[in-house]
Parts: sequence; structure tokens; C-alpha cells
Amino acid sequence: GESVGLHLPTLSVQEGDNSIINCAYSNSASDYFIWYKQESGKGPQFIIDIRSNMDKRQGQRVTVLLNKTVKHLSLQIAATQPGDSAVYFCAIPPGNQFYFGTGTSLTVIP
Amino acid sequence: GAVVSQHPSRVICKSGTSVKIECRSLDFQATTMFWYRQFPKQSLMLMATSNEGSKATYEQGVEKDKFLINHASLTLSTLTVTSAHPEDSSFYICSARRGGGEKQYFGPGTRLTVT
Repeated sequence: GESVGLHLPTLSVQEGDNSIINCAYSNSASDYFIWYKQESGKGPQFIIDIRSNMDKRQGQRVTVLLNKTVKHLSLQIAATQPGDSAVYFCAIPPGNQFYFGTGTSLTVIP
Repeated sequence: GAVVSQHPSRVICKSGTSVKIECRSLDFQATTMFWYRQFPKQSLMLMATSNEGSKATYEQGVEKDKFLINHASLTLSTLTVTSAHPEDSSFYICSARRGGGEKQYFGPGTRLTVT
């Protein structure tokens, strides 16, 4: 089956710094990738997505980078704020299903 | 747009009873809904996929007779945990997908505690 994982289970950053959260996947045929944010006790919230025909996509304060050669995905958060503290998952939908990585817990230090 | 609600948000029930959790897409029609389970500090694990008007497809290891899923309309899916036991205590999250879309929109989750 699909293998999706994140490099670091936890990440602490100073408020105002940039955050980088990584995700590795195994299926080279994957063509769509999504990042979700999950705050404690809540459901996942869509952040940004990217298709395999792109290397980079920018949103508001977030950028997703895709390296298909090494099957690696990253989420960059600029000027990290306390409200960014959450668990971040990459999700890769082969067909109907979503395979979620193990998640990175981001803690923002004021 | 693309709001998904769940009800209840929290439920406590006694061992042996059944609990129903509702998942609704509020502003769009969801041809497919998904049910996930999440244990503390763990990732979401897909339990089943349901398409409106047809039987749900369960993931390996998920007991379909224990976790009854009904997707009777394009805006409502229900998950019934039958004869609940303490090990069924978990955070249950649903998601919904528009017809032809790939994104899943998640509900806020339901915290089930079985005593």
C-alpha cells in the first residue's frame, strides 16, 4: 500500500520565524497532494494543495514544494504565528482514499 | 463554502449500547463521504467510504456489523457504533467530497467515550 510519512514528529519554532514541515511518499504515480492542519480536538482543515505538474504553489503565508524525483513534499509557513500551532498532515489521495502521514506537531514559541 | 458538520460533538455512552453519529454537508452535495477514526496523538485512519445510495466500502480490519454506515442522501451520512465497548472510545471524523472533486472537506469530529 501507499507509504506516507513525515520526517519529524515535532517541530518548535520561534514566533515570526519560518517553519518547514516535510513529507515523504512512496508511490511515484501520485499526482495530487494536500496539506491539512489539525488543531487539538478539531477536524483537519485544508491548507493548500498541489498537482504533480507543478513544483511549487503559494498561498497566503504558505508555500508547498514538490520534488517528484525524491518523492518529497514540504510545507513552508512564513512568519509563523501562535495560531499556526497544530498538527500538520500531508495527504495523498489515490482514487477514493486519503493516506495521511503521521503528522508533524508544530509548536510556536512566543 | 464546503462546510461539514458533525453531531454530536461529544458523546458518552455505556458499554453495550449503540451510538449514532451524523455527518452533514451543509452547503454542497456530497456524493462520497468518508469516516475516519483517530486515536490520541495518531494519524487519521480511514474506516470506510460511503457513496450515496449504495453500501459502504469498509477498510480491512473494520467490522461492518459493528460500524454501520448509512448514506441515505447527498448531504447526510451516519455512523452507528453498535454494542460499543471501551476500546471503541476514539475521535471519529467524517469528510465529504463533491461529485468529481478530489478534495475532502472534514467535519469537526465527534469524541466518543464508552464507559
